[in-house]
Amino acid sequence: DQQVKQNSPSLSVQEGRISILNCDYTNSMFDYFLWYKKYPAEGPTFLISISSIKDKNEDGRFTVFLNKSAKHLSLHIVPSQPGDSAVYFCAASRNTGNQFYFGTGTSLTVIP
Amino acid sequence: EAQVTQNPRYLITVTGKKLTVTCSQNMNHEYMSWYRQDPGLGLRQIYYSMNVEVTDKGDVPEGYKVSRKEKRNFPLILESPSPNQTSLYFCASSTPELNTEAFFGQGTRLTVV
Repeated sequence: DQQVKQNSPSLSVQEGRISILNCDYTNSMFDYFLWYKKYPAEGPTFLISISSIKDKNEDGRFTVFLNKSAKHLSLHIVPSQPGDSAVYFCAASRNTGNQFYFGTGTSLTVIP
Repeated sequence: EAQVTQNPRYLITVTGKKLTVTCSQNMNHEYMSWYRQDPGLGLRQIYYSMNVEVTDKGDVPEGYKVSRKEKRNFPLILESPSPNQTSLYFCASSTPELNTEAFFGQGTRLTVV
């Protein structure tokens, strides 16, 4: 049973435009959410996170929005760059243990 | 440099031949985990460990074993690999602090024929 879902397997965006990656979750006990970026032949690397007490967190070109009532979060990348082309995984956790639940990933292609 | 190191990076083996994938971290993290990545399924947790000699099952533990004899090492053992264990495996480590992220190794591509 997938508790974290990314319904878009792929996304293509023109360089300079905004990329919006979406993620939905089902478990209301999740209180911490993360985005990871993965290049081919490498492990996932942490990108940005948000606690459930916030609805927005910004780090440079990356902003994560959290809508707890809808159990939905999104990652905005502005402006998108070709180097952002990668697979992005959404993840969620409860701060009671060591389990991170990951989505299926969205492959972003930024077209120069 | 802070890192999680997995070995080997690539492995082709035959059904039933026991193998071990090693994982080591140099960040003194208490928590370590193993994940497998499969197309359309994302990353799924196999086993995790909250400290030395403390391990527990994740979401897909069948066919795998782990051990945590030292804080820095967390090997993944496949006693009798089968083709459905062909996958991309990642080891990760983290601290028990609130609101923290996991650090991942570079992955091990395993093919069981």
